[in-house]
Amino acid sequence: SQKIEQNSEALNIQEGKTATLTCNYTNYSPAYLQWYRQDPGRGPVFLLLIRENEKEKRKERLKVTFDTTLKQSLFHITASQPADSATYLCALGRYGGSQGNLIFGKGTKLSVKP
Amino acid sequence: DTGVSQDPRHKITKRGQNVTFRCDPISEHNRLYWYRQTLGQGPEFLTYFQNEAQLEKSRLLSDRFSAERPKGSFSTLEIQRTEQGDSAMYLCASSPGVTSGSYNEQFFGPGTRLTVL
Repeated sequence: SQKIEQNSEALNIQEGKTATLTCNYTNYSPAYLQWYRQDPGRGPVFLLLIRENEKEKRKERLKVTFDTTLKQSLFHITASQPADSATYLCALGRYGGSQGNLIFGKGTKLSVKP
Repeated sequence: DTGVSQDPRHKITKRGQNVTFRCDPISEHNRLYWYRQTLGQGPEFLTYFQNEAQLEKSRLLSDRFSAERPKGSFSTLEIQRTEQGDSAMYLCASSPGVTSGSYNEQFFGPGTRLTVL
């Protein structure tokens, strides 16, 4: 069965550093991969989408890479701030018949210390 | 506020009771999704509607669970004969149609936290 793993449950970094989160998957061929941010007690918030034919996407301080050979996505937050502290979820999606079915990882809880 | 709304935000019930949750999506979105999330886990897909048609259901959605979207607007999720294992956050999300450039982006509501005693 398909499996999606996010590298660690928790990541602690110092303010100003770059946070790098990893998402690996097996037994699946996604058409795209998404990253969401989730704060405690709230629903996830969409951040970025990257398609299978794209290598990299950027949005302000965020950068996502997608390597379909390694079956891996990296999510970077540069110049991190305490306000970036949250849980970050990756999710895989397909087009066509299963287009409603996003498969989420467990998330990585990022803590940015001042 | 034009985001996805869910009601109630919290529900405490006794085992064996029925519960119903409501989701109001963003008004122009024709796709609506239900997910379940337990502590320390990512959201798990339950079911998906395009307009009023229920197009996909997860095997997680046992026969005690039923979802409707009668007029293609709001949706309800009902759990019959609740069990303690049903305790979770139930999330609703919506997304625009395929003509939108952001049709794969899902907008989530705040969730309904269910506690079954």
